[in-house]
Amino acid sequence: DAGVTQSPTHLIKTRGQHVTLRCSPISGHKSVSWYQQVLGQGPQFIFQYYEKEERGRGNFPDRFSARQFPNYSSELNVNALLLGDSALYLCASSWWAMTPGSYYGYTFGSGTRLTVV
Amino acid sequence: DAKTTQPPSMDCAEGRAANLPCNHSTISGNEYVYWYRQIHSQGPQYIIHGLKNNETNEMASLIITEDRKSSTLILPHATLRDTAVYYCIVSPKGGSSNTGKLIFGQGTTLQVKP
Repeated sequence: DAGVTQSPTHLIKTRGQHVTLRCSPISGHKSVSWYQQVLGQGPQFIFQYYEKEERGRGNFPDRFSARQFPNYSSELNVNALLLGDSALYLCASSWWAMTPGSYYGYTFGSGTRLTVV
Repeated sequence: DAKTTQPPSMDCAEGRAANLPCNHSTISGNEYVYWYRQIHSQGPQYIIHGLKNNETNEMASLIITEDRKSSTLILPHATLRDTAVYYCIVSPKGGSSNTGKLIFGQGTTLQVKP
């Protein structure tokens, strides 16, 4: 089975531009989470989507948005890019249900390396 | 903020056991201890998790103290490919506030040396 796939793998954008990052979860996984990892830091939570609804949002400005499609793939959009948005953007998928006792394992993709110049 | 404290770095000789400590003195009763690792330029990889009993799988063992305030991840026979940043995370199943949020700290950089 394919793991979590993210595209593109690398991207260079100019300040002020807009970017769209894409993620395909593992087959059968209905939850997708997005993380930002700045060099030298641990990943920081941005969003989680489950069944196309936003279930959680981290401390990120409104320039960051996301959505999940009927096939459970997801897009992360960032508007008005700043130099500080340069980071590795990670997507994680999970078989996730609000059922006590269910196993929650998160599988991460290899990420999209975004450089803002 | 992360609810765990880990040493920033550790070295281990190849073939020896690597013991990575983690302090989580404010852990709640419904929170699990998760370990992930991140090899350079890749996404984090799940290793193991536990609630209060010791756990073992094909990758590692997890020892949780009786008071649950600390834990140790054990890689029984470290290889060069185990060189990575190891993250200890405490979280309820489903993530913080059931939002799927995992709170990563700085982790421990494990360097396995020949």
